[in-house]
Amino acid sequence: QSALTQPPSASGSPGQSVTISCTGTSSDVGAYDYVSWYQQHPGKAPKLMIYEVNKRPSGVPDRFTGSKSGNTASLTVSGLQAEDEADYYCASHAGGGIVIFGGGTRLTVL
Amino acid sequence: QVHLEESGGGLVKPGGSLRLSCAASGFTFTDYSMSWIRQAPGKGLEWLSCVSPGNKHAMYADPLRGRLSVSRDDAKRSVFLQIDNLRAEDTAVYYCATENYFKSDYWGRGTLVTVSS
Repeated sequence: QSALTQPPSASGSPGQSVTISCTGTSSDVGAYDYVSWYQQHPGKAPKLMIYEVNKRPSGVPDRFTGSKSGNTASLTVSGLQAEDEADYYCASHAGGGIVIFGGGTRLTVL
Repeated sequence: QVHLEESGGGLVKPGGSLRLSCAASGFTFTDYSMSWIRQAPGKGLEWLSCVSPGNKHAMYADPLRGRLSVSRDDAKRSVFLQIDNLRAEDTAVYYCATENYFKSDYWGRGTLVTVSS
């Protein structure tokens, strides 16, 4: 059960779009449509932003979209805003009731 | 309003044990499995364990299997995590969270565990 692979950093200017990737294997991301994404601001608890690859919980702006192709999931943040600057983590079901997280990506709004 | 509050963290010596608690309110507790997730200082999130309603099923991350024991008391709306043989690398903020179809909808604020002599 190795951690999912995310780029350590990503950045974009206000109004632009940025995509964060999350690469797993055929035993986790590629096997299940149970990929979720979490946003974490410094000193705060994580917040669920996307679940089941592309579904948004109530209250999450539609600027946040999720997708998956093969063993790689992606989170796209469109129309970047200053408050989107945070750490983002992907997670996936890995069989047997186990969940694994990615290493996290720090998103900077330039 | 959903509220999760962890407790039981603190300073522990290497080799010691700790029992963390999480009190839940604001939702139907028995509708959710409950998970524990930790975050070492400056590091990423690590899923540790999950327990289903009624303690019917308990799952553990492989690296820590054998040192963790998760349980819940549905009548008291609480979930617990026992960690044995603590090591310096167990130093982290430990979060409890609801888990529903492998997503964590709601999180507590976490409790800090520091393992040091």
